[in-house]
Amino acid sequence: SQQGEEDPQALSIQEGENATMNCSYKTSINNLQWYRQNSGRGLVHLILIRSNEREKHSGRLRVTLDTSKKSSSLLITASRAADTASYFCATGPYNNNDMRFGAGTRLTVKP
Amino acid sequence: DAGVTQSPTHLIKTRGQQVTLRCSPKSGHDTVSWYQQALGQGPQFIFQYYEEEERQRGNFPDRFSGHQFPNYSSELNVNALLLGDSALYLCASSPVEGYGYTFGSGTRLTVV
Repeated sequence: SQQGEEDPQALSIQEGENATMNCSYKTSINNLQWYRQNSGRGLVHLILIRSNEREKHSGRLRVTLDTSKKSSSLLITASRAADTASYFCATGPYNNNDMRFGAGTRLTVKP
Repeated sequence: DAGVTQSPTHLIKTRGQQVTLRCSPKSGHDTVSWYQQALGQGPQFIFQYYEEEERQRGNFPDRFSGHQFPNYSSELNVNALLLGDSALYLCASSPVEGYGYTFGSGTRLTVV
């Protein structure tokens, strides 16, 4: 069964705009991770945020975590056409055991 | 440093047949997890192998089985294939300690 649910399901923006994707989950977590997938190929790990962290940055990525609301958001600033991909959040209760993914947000960045 | 390698890349099988997918983990990783991803969906956890044993299993029938070898590589076997088994099958490896999976590019299985 899915653990995380991303919102929106699809997002289309112009190059240079910011893209925000949200993720909600159901059970307690130790960490939450965001992954990217291009054209139905393998997933690439983007960023991990631990349950005791509220915000984390990596380049143009900013992730927030609100454990009281069981939600996370991924912000991509100054988007590029190359950011076009599907983005998934994943939660794992104990290290990497049994990591569960949401259905993903399909981001399209128009040049 | 090689990442996760999966073979074959694409595969077409007939209903009722059996299939074996293969995965070589990233160097230094000893845990292998398998996921099934239907078109337009997120990856669904099938099972995870560590020290040649199945450590965790998702909600998949016994038709799905696996194996891990002493060199940490792994196989996913699916028996009595159904049309609904058509999907991208992803292998991910991870170290015992630490976080973040490394995924292979997947095997696209089509059952006709």
